[in-house]
Amino acid sequence: DVKVTQSSRYLVKRTGEKVFLECVQDMDHENMFWYRQDPGLGLRLIYFSYDVKMKEKGDIPEGYSVSREKKERFSLILESASTNQTSMYLCASSPTGTGTQIQPQHFGDGTRLSIL
Amino acid sequence: LAKTTQPISMDSYEGQEVNITCSHNNIATNDYITWYQQFPSQGPRFIIQGYKTKVTNEVASLFIPADRKSSTLSLPRVSLSDTAVYYCLVLNRDDKIIFGKGTRLHILP
Repeated sequence: DVKVTQSSRYLVKRTGEKVFLECVQDMDHENMFWYRQDPGLGLRLIYFSYDVKMKEKGDIPEGYSVSREKKERFSLILESASTNQTSMYLCASSPTGTGTQIQPQHFGDGTRLSIL
Repeated sequence: LAKTTQPISMDSYEGQEVNITCSHNNIATNDYITWYQQFPSQGPRFIIQGYKTKVTNEVASLFIPADRKSSTLSLPRVSLSDTAVYYCLVLNRDDKIIFGKGTRLHILP
């Protein structure tokens, strides 16, 4: 079974802090993703990565950055945390596959981040 | 934008078969139909994926008519633990994965 592990289930930080969310997958997947999920808004893609040291902006990258130094690890960084970044953060990974078929994403259980 | 329309919520009873229908009138030739399940405080989990006709796995079945403009996720003999939000997605490998609001399924004892 694919395992996507997020470093914290719950995290409380203060406004202005630099926050690191870590994600590790154990299936050698090429692709990794960071989402945030808010009530009424569904999941929104923040950043994704198709390879080591590669990153692409998603729909809402402002206020965030990412790092992928190793294939199995994808980090989300809140440069200067603000209260509107209080949310559930979800990491996912997927293989690239072949053809046009999309490969299912495997999600971690999320980090509920509160910014005070 | 999500390409699908599905009911906001459904109720059913333990032991019943539950069918959740998803409409996707603008499905493209390369699109696959994919369903995810999400429990509270957890990430979505892949359930099943199909392109046409019928797909079955140990968890569910997916029925896709010939025109592919809709699909039905079938959960046999549901239990209380099947209470969750179910998302229908229609996309190919070039699409960004976009989750809509899903269908909130509530199983009653």
